[in-house]
Amino acid sequence: GAVVSQHPSWVICKSGTSVKIECRSLDFQATTMFWYRQFPKQSLMLMATSNEGSKATYEQGVEKDKFLINHASLTLSTLTVTSAHPEDSSFYICSAPTPTEAFFGQGTRLTVV
Amino acid sequence: KNEVEQSPQNLTAQEGEFITINCSYSVGISALHWLQQHPGGGIVSLFMLSSGKKKHGRLIATINIQEKHSSLHITASHPRDSAVYICAVLSYNTDKLIFGTGTRLQVFP
Repeated sequence: GAVVSQHPSWVICKSGTSVKIECRSLDFQATTMFWYRQFPKQSLMLMATSNEGSKATYEQGVEKDKFLINHASLTLSTLTVTSAHPEDSSFYICSAPTPTEAFFGQGTRLTVV
Repeated sequence: KNEVEQSPQNLTAQEGEFITINCSYSVGISALHWLQQHPGGGIVSLFMLSSGKKKHGRLIATINIQEKHSSLHITASHPRDSAVYICAVLSYNTDKLIFGTGTRLQVFP
């Protein structure tokens, strides 16, 4: 079946640095991908909708200059956490929907020290 | 009040027991998803429903559109079923998923 691959699965970075997370649809084209954030024992929170060839749309309260999203091709969307701070530490996961199913990446656990 | 409510929040069972997880929602939907999230965080899609009932192996999902309610059943539960089960609805208005807070299931041998 369709697979969404997310990389890296975990990353530790220093405060002030930037981290890029990749989300690839391996055997289907995804014109839309979603980026979510999940805090421990909480539900997924939509951060932004990534649209191939156009600007991402961000949910209210999500800083677009801090969480840069690029969807340059039909199979790749990237989320860059810029100037990361400890409060950005979280679990980030992408999703690519199809008409019959929602496929999720493996998630990225980001720790900012 | 959350737009998607799940119950119970936590559930423990003995191996072999029949398990039911419930989901109620208050918005108009195009579809409802049942997802499984393992301790490492990865999420697997179990079902996508817009009406009726679906079965896959030991898992059964039902939805009642009029009552805005869905259930996920696990028959003959096994320790490997231990995970967080998440109900998510695809909002008809926004075309975005709205997630429940999940049900943490532990099945003991």
